[in-house]
Amino acid sequence: AQSVSQHNHHVILSEAASLELGCNYSYGGTVNLFWYVQYPGQHLQLLLKYFSGDPLVKGIKGFEAEFIKSKFSFNLRKPSVQWSDTAEYFCAVTLPGGGFKTIFGAGTRLFVKA
Amino acid sequence: EAGVAQSPRYKIIEKRQSVAFWCNPISGHATLYWYQQILGQGPKLLIQFQNNGVVDDSQLPKDRFSAERLKGVDSTLKIQPAKLEDSAVYLCASTTGQFAIDTQYFGPGTRLTVL
Repeated sequence: AQSVSQHNHHVILSEAASLELGCNYSYGGTVNLFWYVQYPGQHLQLLLKYFSGDPLVKGIKGFEAEFIKSKFSFNLRKPSVQWSDTAEYFCAVTLPGGGFKTIFGAGTRLFVKA
Repeated sequence: EAGVAQSPRYKIIEKRQSVAFWCNPISGHATLYWYQQILGQGPKLLIQFQNNGVVDDSQLPKDRFSAERLKGVDSTLKIQPAKLEDSAVYLCASTTGQFAIDTQYFGPGTRLTVL
């Protein structure tokens, strides 16, 4: 069965530290990849997405993610985190075909110390 | 533009009772999703509608859960009877439904506690 794995469930960083959150998926075909974020008290919202072209995609608030097809990975990065990046981050995969089924990872809760 | 609306925001019921959740997607969005998010887990798709037809309900526990989307707009999700393990946040999301790369827009969710 298709699945999405996020390696870190909780991450604690100090401000200005670099961030990398891992995401791996299990599906052999073409996929569309997403990172969603949920800030405290807010709705889930899109951070960035990839479907083709340059495997390095840039999103809002200085986030970027790199798609590595050979590793089935779509890791999220930010060079320097801020206290306001404290949130829960979800990696998701949408499969092609009728319906565009979406599978989410379990999420990574990031806490940034001021 | 108005976002996805859900109600109620919170609901506490006892096991074996029934409960219903309501979702109003973004205007013009053809695809509507219901997800279940148990504490510590990611959202799990329960059912997906394209207009008023069901596209995927493979993970919907059909012995107790039901959902409908009349007229291809609003949707309701019902649980009858509820079990303790149904305690979760129920999220509604919508997209234009045209492409796999479409962004899903989420509502605030309904937090259900089953005692």
